[in-house]
Amino acid sequence: EPEVTQTPSHQVTQMGQEVILRCVPISNHLYFYWYRQILGQKVEFLVSFYNNEISEKSEIFDDQFSVERPDGSNFTLKIRSTKLEDSAMYFCASSLLTSSYNEQFFGPGTRLTVL
Amino acid sequence: ELKVEQNPLFLSMQEGKNYTIYCNYSTTSDRLYWYRQDPGKSLESLFVLLSNGAVKQEGRLMASLDTKARLSTLHITAAVHDLSATYFCAGLAMKTSYDKVIFGPGTSLSVIP
Repeated sequence: EPEVTQTPSHQVTQMGQEVILRCVPISNHLYFYWYRQILGQKVEFLVSFYNNEISEKSEIFDDQFSVERPDGSNFTLKIRSTKLEDSAMYFCASSLLTSSYNEQFFGPGTRLTVL
Repeated sequence: ELKVEQNPLFLSMQEGKNYTIYCNYSTTSDRLYWYRQDPGKSLESLFVLLSNGAVKQEGRLMASLDTKARLSTLHITAAVHDLSATYFCAGLAMKTSYDKVIFGPGTSLSVIP
């Protein structure tokens, strides 16, 4: 069964460093999303992406964050200068259509630890 | 903006017992989802509820949706230890965005022998 994959599973970085989290969505899906979950808290929407541009972003998704689909398969989330409070689990998701008509499928997550 | 609440947030129940988790949401939502998350793992989709009165069942779990009351329930029948996990309900923000899923705080379920 097709699934969303994410790499790495765990990333440790120093405060102020740039990180890139990678996702490979399900191959025929068109909509891509990033969510984050701070340990023990709820899942929060960060950004949605369609047709090579951001369709919506939350207030969390500030100038330090960017997303890109550099090729036909990868979808990346970049944090330019990490802060301690960026430590969280980051989930990528994809859907075939907008999620009003189809559900989002989540990847296994990348645990980001900022020291 | 859509807000999603759940109760209880923590639930410890004995094997074999029944219980219901409640999910309230603040504004009209196109869709209501239930997800399961095991510790340190990703989100597993359990149910997608599309319309008022929708009821779906999978094994010992049954989900329902009452759009008039803005309430969804997840009913657990004859709980077993394998059901121990955190359960999230989530709604879809309507009109302003068809992309954004808003999650509730989660209900941490522990089933004890």
